[in-house]
Amino acid sequence: KQEVTQIPAALSVPEGENLVLNCSFTDSAIYNLQWFRQDPGKGLTSLLLIQSSQREQTSGRLNASLDKSSGRSTLYIAASQPGDSATYLCAVSSTQGGSEKLVFGKGTKLTVNP
Amino acid sequence: NAGVTQTPKFRVLKTGQSMTLLCAQDMNHEYMYWYRQDPGMGLRLIHYSVGEGTTAKGEVPDGYNVSRLKKQNFLLGLESAAPSQTSVYFCASSRRQATDTQYFGPGTRLTVL
Repeated sequence: KQEVTQIPAALSVPEGENLVLNCSFTDSAIYNLQWFRQDPGKGLTSLLLIQSSQREQTSGRLNASLDKSSGRSTLYIAASQPGDSATYLCAVSSTQGGSEKLVFGKGTKLTVNP
Repeated sequence: NAGVTQTPKFRVLKTGQSMTLLCAQDMNHEYMYWYRQDPGMGLRLIHYSVGEGTTAKGEVPDGYNVSRLKKQNFLLGLESAAPSQTSVYFCASSRRQATDTQYFGPGTRLTVL
């Protein structure tokens, strides 16, 4: 059974700092890995999707990497801003119970202090 | 283009009552999903649908039923609500297979007393 772990559970940094969020998964047979952002009381917003054949994806100040063989992904946020404060969720797409499903980590709650 | 919408946003039920949560998407997506999010548990898949008229069980289907009579709508029903079903429920959709980006609705906060 696929399991996704995110470390740390919470992170507090000063504005302007570069930071890395970590995600690990137990089964390397994945189709892709997605990073989502969730603001308090809101739904999830997709940030980046990395296909299993890719090593990284970039969007603005965000860069996500994927090392499928070791079961790890990182989300790098450059020059963090208070508006980046949110919970970041990692999810992997793999076959579970005979069909393709997303399995989510529990998230990392990020606070960027002005 | 509203994306994925959910109705209602909040609801309080008494144990044993029933209710239906409505999810609608205007992106012509084939796949639709219902998740629940609980503190310390993350998001868990309840049921999903791979197309109009089809439904399938996810990780935590017990106590819930679903229907997909129209492509754009996915309904989640609770026949006899229990306090354990207190949660935030999210609907999502994706273009085709589950490997595509999923788009989420804003959520429904349900409390069962």
